[in-house]
Amino acid sequence: DGGITQSPKYLFRKEGQNVTLSCEQNLNHDAMYWYRQDPGQGLRLIYYSQIVNDFQKGDIAEGYSVSREKKESFPLTVTSAQKNPTAFYLCASSPSGRTYEQYFGPGTRLTVT
Amino acid sequence: GQNIDQPTEMTATEGAIVQINCTYQTSGFNGLFWYQQHAGEAPTFLSYNVLDGLEEKGRFSSFLSRSKGYSYLLLKELQMKDSASYLCAVRSYNAGNMLTFGGGTRLMVKP
Repeated sequence: DGGITQSPKYLFRKEGQNVTLSCEQNLNHDAMYWYRQDPGQGLRLIYYSQIVNDFQKGDIAEGYSVSREKKESFPLTVTSAQKNPTAFYLCASSPSGRTYEQYFGPGTRLTVT
Repeated sequence: GQNIDQPTEMTATEGAIVQINCTYQTSGFNGLFWYQQHAGEAPTFLSYNVLDGLEEKGRFSSFLSRSKGYSYLLLKELQMKDSASYLCAVRSYNAGNMLTFGGGTRLMVKP
């Protein structure tokens, strides 16, 4: 089965701790994305990567970091510098040049207390 | 920058037709997209317009007017399972062809 996996579905952390969210895809897509969604709001782009070993900041990159060492994997680290980390995080991937054809993972709901 | 507006909530009756509007302001427009998102789940792609006019896909249709910066998603023969949020997204050359999403319209379908 091809698709995108994110784990875990729910994650709880204490304030001041860094936390890494995983995203894996076996769709052979070149491009991958991380979005944040707050209650009742749309998606905001955090980081994206169009090819292995390259990534770009999105609209709200401050307090986050990513890596793209393998085509299949695009982990997101939420650092202690992120002021309001509690949110629903969605990972997506798309074939190269077709940013509209994004396939989303099931999401990780992060709660920081 | 880009600005995308859509109503926050709408209510409609099962079997009816509903139109969800989206207005946008952007430079380098390169397409408008609609996604459906059920509560707590990931968005799924519904439709894509890059030229003016109506695109029909079963019970769902999407319309675009580039000169007016306006799109709508039309849902016919509403079913209870259509209760979800509908996200309008705009792609722009000037934003690296990335998608910028609106806040979403939460549609509640009542019996």
